[in-house]
Amino acid sequence: KQEVTQIPAALSVPEGENLVLNCSFTDSAIYNLQWFRQDPGKGLTSLLLIQSSQREQTSGRLNASLDKSSGRSTLYIAASQPGDSATYLCAVNGVGAGNMLTFGGGTRLMVKP
Amino acid sequence: NAGVTQTPKFRVLKTGQSMTLLCAQDMNHEYMYWYRQDPGMGLRLIHYSVGEGTTAKGEVPDGYNVSRLKKQNFLLGLESAAPSQTSVYFCASSYQGSYSYEQYFGPGTRLTVT
Repeated sequence: KQEVTQIPAALSVPEGENLVLNCSFTDSAIYNLQWFRQDPGKGLTSLLLIQSSQREQTSGRLNASLDKSSGRSTLYIAASQPGDSATYLCAVNGVGAGNMLTFGGGTRLMVKP
Repeated sequence: NAGVTQTPKFRVLKTGQSMTLLCAQDMNHEYMYWYRQDPGMGLRLIHYSVGEGTTAKGEVPDGYNVSRLKKQNFLLGLESAAPSQTSVYFCASSYQGSYSYEQYFGPGTRLTVT
């Protein structure tokens, strides 16, 4: 059974820092990996989708990488801002899992002004 | 373009009561999903649909039923609510399967069963 782990569970950084969020998964047979942002009491906003054949995806200050063979993905946030404060979730779509996304527990990020 | 919407936003039920959660999307997506989010458990898939008139079980389907009578709507029903169904419920949709296409989520329904 696919398991997804995100480390750290919580992170607090001063504004302007570059930071890396980590996601690991136990089964490397995946179709894709998706990063989401969730604000308190809100739904999930899709940030980046990386197909299994890709190594990375970029959107603005965000860069996500995927190393399928080692079961790891990172989300890099450049020049962090207080508005980046949220919970970040990664989810994988595993081969044979139908359309089921398996989610990690999330990293709660606080960017202090 | 409203994306994915859910009604109601909040609901309190007593044990044994029934209710239906409505999800609607205006993106002409084929696939729709229902998840629940619980502290310490993350998001888990309840049921999903690959098109109008179809439904399939996810990871935690027990105690729930679903229907997809129209392409744009996906209903989640609780026939006899239990305290263990207290959770935040999210609906999502995607153009096709999650194999290649990202899922878009609604704002959630917070359900409390007393």
